[in-house]
Parts: sequence; structure tokens; C-alpha cells
Amino acid sequence: DAGVTQSPTHLIKTRGQQVTLRCSPKSGHDTVSWYQQALGQGPQFIFQYYEEEERQRGNFPDRFSGHQFPNYSSELNVNALLLGDSALYLCASSRTGGPETEKLFFGSGTQLSVL
Amino acid sequence: SQKIEQNSEALNIQEGKTATLTCNYTNYSPAYLQWYRQDPGRGPVFLLLIRENEKEKRKERLKVTFDTTLKQSLFHITASQPADSATYLCASYSGAGSYQLTFGKGTKLSVIP
Repeated sequence: DAGVTQSPTHLIKTRGQQVTLRCSPKSGHDTVSWYQQALGQGPQFIFQYYEEEERQRGNFPDRFSGHQFPNYSSELNVNALLLGDSALYLCASSRTGGPETEKLFFGSGTQLSVL
Repeated sequence: SQKIEQNSEALNIQEGKTATLTCNYTNYSPAYLQWYRQDPGRGPVFLLLIRENEKEKRKERLKVTFDTTLKQSLFHITASQPADSATYLCASYSGAGSYQLTFGKGTKLSVIP
């Protein structure tokens, strides 16, 4: 039973570029959340997708956008990259309405470096 | 919005001793709190969830308490081992009906042999 998988594991971009990160949720999960984790900080909520819709959004600018596909996988897109966007981007999955729905399962993340 | 404070950024402890980590919350009194473990370069891994009507919860060498009066949760690791060295994160949802899980900055635990 595969857990949450994210790709790529590492990425280097320059300022102003655009990036797409990908996530496949744990088998049986239908909800995907994205988090940004800067060095030495806890994960910060970007947004959550359920039924292919953005269900809730954290305090992030519109440069951050996402998508969820019918197979529950998800993408995170960041436009006009800034140096401050350098961070570990984490995808977490859960099952809405299922047992232990409050518990999140995280992938290993994508380490994004913006130069 | 919810604020989670983990006062100790780092905690060093001798192998075999009990480690105690503190988590305080403000702004919203959650129905439950969660604790996660994170190793370097990896995503957090769920450890325990404690509800407001549960004063204490145990899982093997782990124990969590929840004091709604103090707005505080304590996380204990008994008989600590070097393999317990990691960052431990406390988290709660940001409000009633919210899907946003708010994390503290974490406490980096180092267990010294």
C-alpha cells in the first residue's frame, strides 16, 4: 500500500519562473492538502482540495494555485517565483468523512530552491 | 486564527530519561490536539491525537496530556532512546469546521547516548 508520493524530490528554479509540484495521495484517500515549510519553522497551510475544488485556503497569495484530478492526485503551481518561496513543500492526504479523518498522512516533500 | 506555541526549540536529554515537550494554544480552544514526528528531510508522521475530554492518552512509550484550563498539552517520551531524536510538532485545527491544520514550530529533541 503506497503512501503519499510527491515529485520531484528536489527542484532548482530562478526568480520569476513558474513551478509545478505533484502529489499522489495514499490509497483510499480523497482529500489533499498542501503545506509550505521554511527551514526551522512548522508547516504552513496553503490550501486543501476535495472533490476537485479548493475547499479552504491559507494566507498565501494568488501566485499559489492548485488542481485536483478525478483520481484524487493534485498539483501545486507557483508563478513568478520569489527567493522567499524557497522551502520544503509538503503534500498531505486524508479521507473526508472516513475513520480518523482528522489525521494527515504526509509525503516526503519537494525541496524547492529559488536562486 | 489559531496560534500554537512550542516554547522549547531544542531539548537535549540523556538516554533512558523521560523527555517532556510543551505545547500551548491561543485564540481557539480545539476539540483535539495532534502530535507529529518529523525527521530531517522527511514529512511529518502522525503519532497521537488527544480529545478535550481525554485527560491522558498513551501509546507504547509515548504519553500525551491535554489541559483545557491551562490551554496546554504535554508530550512525554519515557525511557528515551537515541532513535527518538527528531523534531516533534504539535498541531490543531484553526477553528470549528476549519480544514486548516495549524502547526507549532516544533521542538528538536536530541537523545544523548
